[in-house]
Amino acid sequence: GQNIDQPTEMTATEGAIVQINCTYQTSGFNGLFWYQQHAGEAPTFLSYNVLDGLEEKGRFSSFLSRSKGYSYLLLKELQMKDSASYLCAVRDRNDYKLSFGAGTTVTVRA
Amino acid sequence: DADVTQTPRNRITKTGKRIMLECSQTKGHDRMYWYRQDPGLGLRLIYYSFDVKDINKGEISDGYSVSRQAQAKFSLSLESAIPNQTALYFCATRGPLSDTQYFGPGTRLTVL
Repeated sequence: GQNIDQPTEMTATEGAIVQINCTYQTSGFNGLFWYQQHAGEAPTFLSYNVLDGLEEKGRFSSFLSRSKGYSYLLLKELQMKDSASYLCAVRDRNDYKLSFGAGTTVTVRA
Repeated sequence: DADVTQTPRNRITKTGKRIMLECSQTKGHDRMYWYRQDPGLGLRLIYYSFDVKDINKGEISDGYSVSRQAQAKFSLSLESAIPNQTALYFCATRGPLSDTQYFGPGTRLTVL
């Protein structure tokens, strides 16, 4: 099974940087995903890491350390539209199911 | 048109009623999933299907059943709804060569 932890809430100022941490314990790891979910809407895919290191996609970057069971999502140059919940999910290597953390609600203030 | 659609989008029902939530996709994906989302608990997997003949229970399948009528359709049923099944329900799909799950818009179900 999976045990996934991420902070419940974070607040940051427009234009700033926010880092959302995710730690996990798993019996079989096959990738870590980050999804963005605006209130009342469907989660949308942001990033995927299966090897250690940093993946950069525009203003968003995601980092993975498999030995530490740790990932972070970095949001740069924050915009008001980035206010959302960010979900960390781990995929099991045996059945490819995703297990989700409870999500981190990020509020961007002017 | 949306790739993954869910009907209804909102439903209010009473305890004991039978409810069916439907999911359709035009992405041609073989894998389909049903999740529920509750505040503070994140998304939890109810059932998943790798093709029409393959149905599997997720972590919280009690009180639910599913039907994979075709590759493009995956329905979730609550045989006798109870108030603690009040939640936001999402359908998702994934292709065999894809790492990503794509989510439908969700169905908000309230059981009184």
